[in-house]
Amino acid sequence: GDSVTQMEGPVTLSEEAFLTINCTYTATGYPSLFWYVQYPGEGLQLLLKATKADDKGSNKGFEATYRKETTSFHLEKGSVQVSDSAVYFCALITSGSARQLTFGSGTQLTVLP
Amino acid sequence: DAGVTQSPTHLIKTRGQHVTLRCSPISGHKSVSWYQQVLGQGPQFIFQYYEKEERGRGNFPDRFSARQFPNYSSELNVNALLLGDSALYLCASRTGGLAKNIQYFGAGTRLSVL
Repeated sequence: GDSVTQMEGPVTLSEEAFLTINCTYTATGYPSLFWYVQYPGEGLQLLLKATKADDKGSNKGFEATYRKETTSFHLEKGSVQVSDSAVYFCALITSGSARQLTFGSGTQLTVLP
Repeated sequence: DAGVTQSPTHLIKTRGQHVTLRCSPISGHKSVSWYQQVLGQGPQFIFQYYEKEERGRGNFPDRFSARQFPNYSSELNVNALLLGDSALYLCASRTGGLAKNIQYFGAGTRLSVL
């Protein structure tokens, strides 16, 4: 079945540091890939997405590139802020009537001032 | 426009009881999905409904059931609650067309089973 593997956290960075959160996937067919962010006490917010190989999703300074050859979708940001502290989830969805999201286990990011 | 709304926000139940969680999708969205998020883990898919029909079911026991109403709102029911059912229950809605793969989540209902 489909699965998503994220780098284990938690990750602690200083403000303005470079961020990478690794994500690899296993899926049948050609999935769409997503990063969701969850702030404390809140639901999930879509951060960015990519629907086909070599697509780059970007939003709020975050970027991720759909790499079919390495089945990866790593999240990057050049300069993190304290307000980026949250849990980040990599997810995929495959075609079919259910269109259910399969999530990774999440990576807790803490950015210190 | 309002986002996905869920009620109640928090709920405390005891083992063996029954619970009903409610979700109102974004206006114009006809599909609703339910996910369970246990503390420290990623959300797990429970159900998806589209146009009031069940379109998918995750690996959850029959104690879990759901339905979708003509106004596209949805209820998730859990019978005979177990301690392990304690989790954040998330509802997500999506539209069709080109954006059909984008799901928008509510803030969730946090269920505690004592």
